[in-house]
Amino acid sequence: AQSVTQLGSHVSVSEGALVLLRCNYSSSVPPYLFWYVQYPNQGLQLLLKYTSAATLVKGINGFEAEFKKSETSFHLTKPSAHMSDAAEYFCAVSESGAAGNKLTFGGGTRVLVKP
Amino acid sequence: NAGVTQTPKFRILKIGQSMTLQCAQDMNHNYMYWYRQDPGMGLKLIYYSVGAGITDKGEVPNGYNVSRSTTEDFPLRLELAAPSQTSVYFCASCAVNTEAFFGQGTRLTVV
Repeated sequence: AQSVTQLGSHVSVSEGALVLLRCNYSSSVPPYLFWYVQYPNQGLQLLLKYTSAATLVKGINGFEAEFKKSETSFHLTKPSAHMSDAAEYFCAVSESGAAGNKLTFGGGTRVLVKP
Repeated sequence: NAGVTQTPKFRILKIGQSMTLQCAQDMNHNYMYWYRQDPGMGLKLIYYSVGAGITDKGEVPNGYNVSRSTTEDFPLRLELAAPSQTSVYFCASCAVNTEAFFGQGTRLTVV
């Protein structure tokens, strides 16, 4: 069975400061890992994904994440927060195979950006 | 190219009523999924389908049913609505080596 833990349900950052969202996973097979963003009253939009290629993955809007197998982590970072980054962020794991990308999600982290 | 389309966007049901949440995708994806989102819980998988005519239970299937008669459509049926089914429901689809694409969601309240 796979699971995802996101540390911190709410994170507050100042505009221009580093954004760091933590994600730890468990999986019995090499995982595919994803970060999704959800803006208010919207669906989920893919930020980036790790599928066993480079361990440092760059996504949209200046976000990146690093896969660390030894730590079973896939933390999301952005060097400088913008007001438009205020949203909820979800880490997800998939054991891609016959069921496509059947995702297991973490509980989400809501990001507040202060001016 | 509309992607994944869900209808309705909002619905209020009375306890015991039934309804169908519609989901359609125009990307010719084989895989389709229904998730529910509850505050602080992330998204939980209700049912999924790997192709027309094939469906399977996810993590939280009780109280729901699905069908997949075509590649494009994957409706979710609530037979006897209960307050515990108050949630936001998301449909998603993907191909073999693509990420999942999500619809805009259906916000359901059962009173």
